[in-house]
Amino acid sequence: LAKTTQPISMDSYEGQEVNITCSHNNIATNDYITWYQQFPSQGPRFIIQGYKTKVTNEVASLFIPADRKSSTLSLPRVSLSDTAVYYCLRGANNLFFGTGTRLTVIP
Amino acid sequence: DAGVIQSPRHEVTEMGQEVTLRCKPISGHNSLFWYRQTMMRGLELLIYFNNNVPIDDSGMPEDRFSAKMPNASFSTLKIQPSEPRDSAVYFCASSDPGWSSYNEQFFGPGTRLTVL
Repeated sequence: LAKTTQPISMDSYEGQEVNITCSHNNIATNDYITWYQQFPSQGPRFIIQGYKTKVTNEVASLFIPADRKSSTLSLPRVSLSDTAVYYCLRGANNLFFGTGTRLTVIP
Repeated sequence: DAGVIQSPRHEVTEMGQEVTLRCKPISGHNSLFWYRQTMMRGLELLIYFNNNVPIDDSGMPEDRFSAKMPNASFSTLKIQPSEPRDSAVYFCASSDPGWSSYNEQFFGPGTRLTVL
């Protein structure tokens, strides 16, 4: 399965911008990069997806460099409600979630 | 749409008993996924179906686990016999690649299984 590498955990203060980087050295030409968010006792929820350069939606931005071997999820001005686990996936079917990055937002 | 529906939400059973988890995907979605989540191993894919046909079941732990999708609106995951190490949250998700290139998966609320 297509695996990615991301930090196990991160802490941030409320109101700051948070950047979570994901490594995917063996990304294939057809692979998209997708990020999901999971709150306790809920299933993961789609945040954003991209192929290259930059993608932005109402909740996040995704930066992908030219070589596509890594990507960065950017959450602007996080709030306490952004405390969750964030998963980076690569591939056409987005099947491997792994353990994700546990983000804790501190007041 | 009510989203992906899973039942039961919680299941407590004794070792050796048969457990059946149920899932109703979002209407119109043609792919269905079963995942298992534990603290130690994170979120693992068990099996996924496309147009009711199992495509990849390499994540199914062992022969005690089986999954079926008799029609486009229903799937089951069965564990027989159950063991304490099967205790986990089991998620069902569905997607429809035909809608967009995103292949976004929509997850159900999960079933929390406890095997005593």
